[in-house]
Amino acid sequence: DVKVTQSSRYLVKRTGEKVFLECVQDMDHENMFWYRQDPGLGLRLIYFSYDVKMKEKGDIPEGYSVSREKKERFSLILESASTNQTSMYLCASSSGKQGRTEAFFGQGTRLTVV
Amino acid sequence: AQRVTQPEKLLSVFKGAPVELKCNYSYSGSPELFWYVQYSRQRLQLLLRHISRESIKGFTADLNKGETSFHLKKPFAQEEDSAMYYCALRRYGGATNKLIFGTGTLLAVQP
Repeated sequence: DVKVTQSSRYLVKRTGEKVFLECVQDMDHENMFWYRQDPGLGLRLIYFSYDVKMKEKGDIPEGYSVSREKKERFSLILESASTNQTSMYLCASSSGKQGRTEAFFGQGTRLTVV
Repeated sequence: AQRVTQPEKLLSVFKGAPVELKCNYSYSGSPELFWYVQYSRQRLQLLLRHISRESIKGFTADLNKGETSFHLKKPFAQEEDSAMYYCALRRYGGATNKLIFGTGTLLAVQP
């Protein structure tokens, strides 16, 4: 059973703090993704990674960075948290193999920046 | 650029009525389309993908390249179908390409 695990379900941080959101997958997937989910806006891609140390910007990368030092782990970093980054953050992973491109999602981290 | 459009934020139907959730996309290459579903308090999960051409939980979706659409249909809605539905797109055949989602449609099936 594919497992994508996000380190926290709920986080409350102060404006200006550096925030780390961690995601781990156990299926040896090449691709990993970070999205934020907001009502009326759907899922918006922040960053994705297709291999260790490789990353590409998504549609809303401003204010975020990522790190992928190991294949199973993909971290999202908020360099200086702001209130407009209050959101639900979803991590996902997928294989790069043809026919197995289904994305598997974590349970989400609800981040509140105060 | 890849773009997925779901024009309806909310679709409310009665149990037993037909359902059609609309999805249109824009992409210059060859797309791979998906429908994902999120039930209350559960994580997002795959419902179906166009390359499989299968029916899952009574839902079907056909890729119409001429109209650039991938609408999700079910002939008779059930209350347990109430959920948020997202249409998603990636480049077909690409191993490393990004997966883009629409804004989602909340399906509410009334008893």
